[in-house]
Amino acid sequence: DAKTTQPPSMDCAEGRAANLPCNHSTISGNEYVYWYRQIHSQGPQYIIHGLKNNETNEMASLIITEDRKSSTLILPHATLRDTAVYYCIVSLPRGNNRKLIWGLGTSLAVNP
Amino acid sequence: GAVVSQHPSWVICKSGTSVKIECRSLDFQATTMFWYRQFPKQSLMLMATSNEGSKATYEQGVEKDKFLINHASLTLSTLTVTSAHPEDSSFYICSAREAGTGRYEQYFGPGTRLTVT
Repeated sequence: DAKTTQPPSMDCAEGRAANLPCNHSTISGNEYVYWYRQIHSQGPQYIIHGLKNNETNEMASLIITEDRKSSTLILPHATLRDTAVYYCIVSLPRGNNRKLIWGLGTSLAVNP
Repeated sequence: GAVVSQHPSWVICKSGTSVKIECRSLDFQATTMFWYRQFPKQSLMLMATSNEGSKATYEQGVEKDKFLINHASLTLSTLTVTSAHPEDSSFYICSAREAGTGRYEQYFGPGTRLTVT
């Protein structure tokens, strides 16, 4: 079973920030939080990951709470092309046992 | 960088035949590749993990004799669905992990849509 909980769907207006929440209350101390997205009928795309500090890259920002039990992916200015299913995954960063366990994610619809 | 390709992108085959899907890392070497299956409106399910030059490790419930995986080089892994049946119709996705960089992100291919008639 996936170790994360996400809302099944969200809507966002084009140009506005999209804030996607994720609960991972059972995360262990050495597990990272990863975010991927999957546009319809395509392979997943890596977005960002973090351990405990907030992270930002050209695609998004990741805010992780101090207790690490939840996080929020922020798309600062959503576009129509950001419409996709967003997956939050917790995983060890390395090791032969590292697997990505996928939940159902959040289906984000960016509306014009 | 870190591009993964799959071939074919879609395939239709008759029940009982075998289908081979290729997964290539185009601009990096991948010691580990993963094969996933995704049914409509469902999430990705890991089928197996393959390491270059060794036998694949299959997830529980995945028949290794039906889904043959070969990872013969650092840039190519193949999945062969043998004696395909309509219930094998699915979206098959591979991913690859770059070797020797210390990075453990997985880079995904575009997927292969298999339809068995």
